[in-house]
Amino acid sequence: KNEVEQSPQNLTAQEGEFITINCSYSVGISALHWLQQHPGGGIVSLFMLSSGKKKHGRLIATINIQEKHSSLHITASHPRDSAVYICAVEINTGNQFYFGTGTSLTVIP
Amino acid sequence: DAGVIQSPRHEVTEMGQEVTLRCKPISGHNSLFWYRQTMMRGLELLIYFNNNVPIDDSGMPEDRFSAKMPNASFSTLKIQPSEPRDSAVYFCASSPYRLREQFFGPGTRLTVL
Repeated sequence: KNEVEQSPQNLTAQEGEFITINCSYSVGISALHWLQQHPGGGIVSLFMLSSGKKKHGRLIATINIQEKHSSLHITASHPRDSAVYICAVEINTGNQFYFGTGTSLTVIP
Repeated sequence: DAGVIQSPRHEVTEMGQEVTLRCKPISGHNSLFWYRQTMMRGLELLIYFNNNVPIDDSGMPEDRFSAKMPNASFSTLKIQPSEPRDSAVYFCASSPYRLREQFFGPGTRLTVL
């Protein structure tokens, strides 16, 4: 049983397209993180959310606590957005994290 | 700021040997996290520290793994004895305090032969 489910697992888009990656979770959380892992392996934290919506440049993250769902949107996608995007949740009944298996995004010029 | 620093970046060792991974968090950050990433299991939290104190080590796979944070600027993750199934990339991350954005180090790629 996976506490965090991401979809899609793989995504290929043309440059300029609007992209949505989804994350659903089954546990009570105190926060949700969106991480980006580039082909070289480095991990960057994009967002940490506990409610509502956050925006940074072309990236937007939303969370619906009641529905236990979060989305990561990329507007005007670019080949440099090609990476694996990982959803992670911090549970509110302890100190553990659960991770999604990641969404591999490829943006074609 | 140099960001989170990890060393070594790559480590190849033989089964049974002791392995020590090192992490220097960003100055002023109070929380430090050790993660492991494998193809089979993805990312997993091993342990995290708050103000140098281990808060939760329930993710540590077994007694062969131990982690210390003797001061605010240094942490180690030790595996003794190492086994081939420990081969993975180990990431260290720090944050200003709990429930804030984490900053990841470049990772240490460990191969146990």
